[in-house]
Amino acid sequence: GAVVSQHPSWVICKSGTSVKIECRSLDFQATTMFWYRQFPKQSLMLMATSNEGSKATYEQGVEKDKFLINHASLTLSTLTVTSAHPEDSSFYICSAKQGKETQYFGPGTRLLVL
Amino acid sequence: AQSVTQPDIHITVSEGASLELRCNYSYGATPYLFWYVQSPGQGLQLLLKYFSGDTLVQGIKGFEAEFKRSQSSFNLRKPSVHWSDAAEYFCAVGSGGSYIPTFGRGTSLIVHP
Repeated sequence: GAVVSQHPSWVICKSGTSVKIECRSLDFQATTMFWYRQFPKQSLMLMATSNEGSKATYEQGVEKDKFLINHASLTLSTLTVTSAHPEDSSFYICSAKQGKETQYFGPGTRLLVL
Repeated sequence: AQSVTQPDIHITVSEGASLELRCNYSYGATPYLFWYVQSPGQGLQLLLKYFSGDTLVQGIKGFEAEFKRSQSSFNLRKPSVHWSDAAEYFCAVGSGGSYIPTFGRGTSLIVHP
């Protein structure tokens, strides 16, 4: 089946620094990728949708200048958390799909901001 | 707007027992429905999906779900639970042509030996 990877799987950073998370579709080309945030014991909240070569569409309440998304190729999307603060600590999950097919989820990246 | 309700936060079953996880949705038209499973610290894996056709959907790992329009439900079932089924289960509803799902809050399944 389709595989989506994320790197890193976990990261610890100091408050005020920026962190980049990569999402890759390993065996298919993803026209659309999604970024989710998940708090402990809670559901996934869609942050943004990105299409290759165009600007990401952010969900209401998500700061686009805080969470920079780049979808430079059909197999790679990146999420950069800028000037991270402790409240940004969370589990970030990406997913990718090709056309209208099912979304395939990455394993997630756990971010801890000290 | 679409929404999903999973009324049970935790479900505990004995290994070998049957399982039913509840999911109710709110959406004006025919929804696209999904069940995902998430193991601790992992991403989500699709168990099954309903877009149209037969309302009883078979999925992976022996799971099935039945779409009941009259009850706005899409409950997940398995006849005999294995210890490896212990995980978080998410129901999701999508709409339109994009199939982007809205997730329920999840149900945590605990399996006793």
